Amino acid sequence: GAGVSQTPSNKVTEKGKYVELRCDPISGHTALYWYRQSLGQGPEFLIYFQGTGAADDSGLPNDRFFAVRPEGSVSTLKIQRTERGDSAVYLCASSLSPQETQYFGPGTRLLVL
Amino acid sequence: KQEVTQIPAALSVPEGENLVLNCSFTDSAIYNLQWFRQDPGKGLTSLLLIQSSQREQTSGRLNASLDKSSGRSTLYIAASQPGDSATYLCAPHSGGGADGLTFGKGTHLIIQP
Repeated sequence: GAGVSQTPSNKVTEKGKYVELRCDPISGHTALYWYRQSLGQGPEFLIYFQGTGAADDSGLPNDRFFAVRPEGSVSTLKIQRTERGDSAVYLCASSLSPQETQYFGPGTRLLVL
Repeated sequence: KQEVTQIPAALSVPEGENLVLNCSFTDSAIYNLQWFRQDPGKGLTSLLLIQSSQREQTSGRLNASLDKSSGRSTLYIAASQPGDSATYLCAPHSGGGADGLTFGKGTHLIIQP
């Protein structure tokens, strides 16, 4: 079946702008995670959803970052007033339950000029 | 806070060799541990998931072991092939699953034809 998909695959924006990144998890997966990966580093956890609710948002770096999952499927990561330091690959993963294998999408490469 | 170290950071070996990648983590109270591979510019591909109650897990030429009490996991790759060239990441999952994976920086593996 289809894997995790993310759109757009690349996003270039200017400092100060607002961006939205979308994640479509594997059908039926209740757990959804967002990560951020900088060059040469492993992914860094941002936020975890179980169903529609954000069960853990402790990884969000500051209040410019926000994520929603209104119907328990598709999720959107929103970044306000983007900064050059936000440039990274944003990865989404989903799993059947929190205790099971996480499957990752291809990521969205964000570049803030 | 969980911290993950992977040794070596990089490894280059001739095709056909058996090799071992090492992962250590500071907080042994994990729920499970996943090994991933990441090809350049791509997302993460899950290789193996070991539950905290398990000692090892096998998939084809890959074998992962887990010693939770000492905070260590190893990934054994048998009869390496050029297609195995990638970055390998280990990621323990803490908090009963109610948070994200913690990643190391990975081991960059090159298999020489």
